[in-house]
Amino acid sequence: GQQVMQIPQYQHVQEGEDFTTYCNSSTTLSNIQWYKQRPGGHPVFLIQLVKSGEVKKQKRLTFQFGEAKKNSSLHITATQTTDVGTYFCAGDKDVNSGYALNFGKGTSLLVTP
Amino acid sequence: KAGVTQTPRYLIKTRGQQVTLSCSPISGHRSVSWYQQTPGQGLQFLFEYFSETQRNKGNFPGRFSGRQFSNSRSEMNVSTLELGDSALYLCASSLDQGWNGYTFGSGTRLTVV
Repeated sequence: GQQVMQIPQYQHVQEGEDFTTYCNSSTTLSNIQWYKQRPGGHPVFLIQLVKSGEVKKQKRLTFQFGEAKKNSSLHITATQTTDVGTYFCAGDKDVNSGYALNFGKGTSLLVTP
Repeated sequence: KAGVTQTPRYLIKTRGQQVTLSCSPISGHRSVSWYQQTPGQGLQFLFEYFSETQRNKGNFPGRFSGRQFSNSRSEMNVSTLELGDSALYLCASSLDQGWNGYTFGSGTRLTVV
């Protein structure tokens, strides 16, 4: 079945440093979504990427979808302590037979001042 | 507008018992998905409902079941609880079968003793 792998599992950075998490799927995805979960909280939707090679930005966050639609990345420029949390990518399973997002195991980001 | 509401927030049950969790989606959202979150396995898909029909089911034993009502509210049931069922159960709703992101509830923390 489809698997979504995410690396690294953990990342510890100093405030102001950049951060990147990578997501890889064993199959071609129709779209990929990114979520952020703060400690003790629930996942919060950040963005959806649909097109091959798509790049989207949200302030200091840059999201990319690979040309083959099998990989994606999230890059945070100049991290802040408010960026702390776990970042998940999620790919669809099969849009035609029922929607089911498969989540990666996430990258936990710790930012120290 | 009100978010996704899950009840109860916390639950302690004994092995062998059964439990029912409730989820009220955002008004107008017809797609509801359930996920199990554990530290070791991450977010695992349980099932997805759209307009009262289960469209997809994850790889969980038959002890896990769910349903959706005509008002889009959803319940999930776990029978014959096992210690390994201890987890955070998250419900997520979407306007259009997950397209453009799911909104998650705060979850129900189930502890089986």
